[in-house]
Amino acid sequence: SQELEQSPQSLIVQEGKNLTINCTSSKTLYGLYWYKQKYGEGLIFLMMLQKGGEEKSHEKITAKLDEKKQQSSLHITASQPSHAGIYLCGAEKGNQFYFGTGTSLTVIP
Amino acid sequence: ETGVTQSPTHLIKTRGQQVTLRCSSQSGHNTVSWYQQALGQGPQFIFQYYREEENGRGNFPPRFSGLQFPNYSSELNVNALELDDSALYLCASSLDGGGTDTQYFGPGTRLTVL
Repeated sequence: SQELEQSPQSLIVQEGKNLTINCTSSKTLYGLYWYKQKYGEGLIFLMMLQKGGEEKSHEKITAKLDEKKQQSSLHITASQPSHAGIYLCGAEKGNQFYFGTGTSLTVIP
Repeated sequence: ETGVTQSPTHLIKTRGQQVTLRCSSQSGHNTVSWYQQALGQGPQFIFQYYREEENGRGNFPPRFSGLQFPNYSSELNVNALELDDSALYLCASSLDGGGTDTQYFGPGTRLTVL
C-alpha cells in the first residue's frame, strides 16, 4: 500500500498560473524529499524538508512541511512550460525509501 | 564531478531470461539504491547497498539480487524474468548510507520483457 498520497494525480495549467501539489502521510515524516521526473527519465532532486514548519524555495518553486510533519505542499508560482513533468514526493522509513504515486503536470503555453 | 550513469539505456529480453543492469555512482558516494518504476507509478525501492553490503531491501523476491563493487559501482541482477518485470530501473547514489541523505538518480534503464 502507498504510504505517501499525492494530489492531484494530474494537473493541466495555463502558462503563468500558480499551482499546488500535496503530499500526505499517515505517519510522521522525518525527511520529505521532492523530485521532478521528465517522462521515462531519471529523477531530479528539488528540495528536502526535515523540520516541522520548514519552508524552502528555489527559483519559482516553494515547498513546505507542516508543523505535524505529515503533509507537504509544493507550490509553483507563474508556471512555465519548463515546469512540466512528474513531481514525486519521497520519504525514508528505516533503510528503505518510498515515493508517492506522482503528480503529472502539463503547462500549456 | 561525474553524475550517476546507468547502462544499458534500453534492453529487451524474453520471459525466463536473466538480465544484469549496471550503475556507476556519483563521485564520492558510497551508497547505491535501486528502484523499479512501472509505467504510471512511482518508483518502488528494491534494495540499497552501502560499502558493498546490502543495507535494506524492499518487497521484492530473491530473484532480484545485487552487488556493489569496491569502487561503489553496482549491478542489479534479475533472474527468471517475468512479463511484470518490464519497467524503468533507476539507481541512485548518496553520500552515506542511512539518515536523511539526498539521493541523486541516474537516467534509468528501460527493460522490456516479451
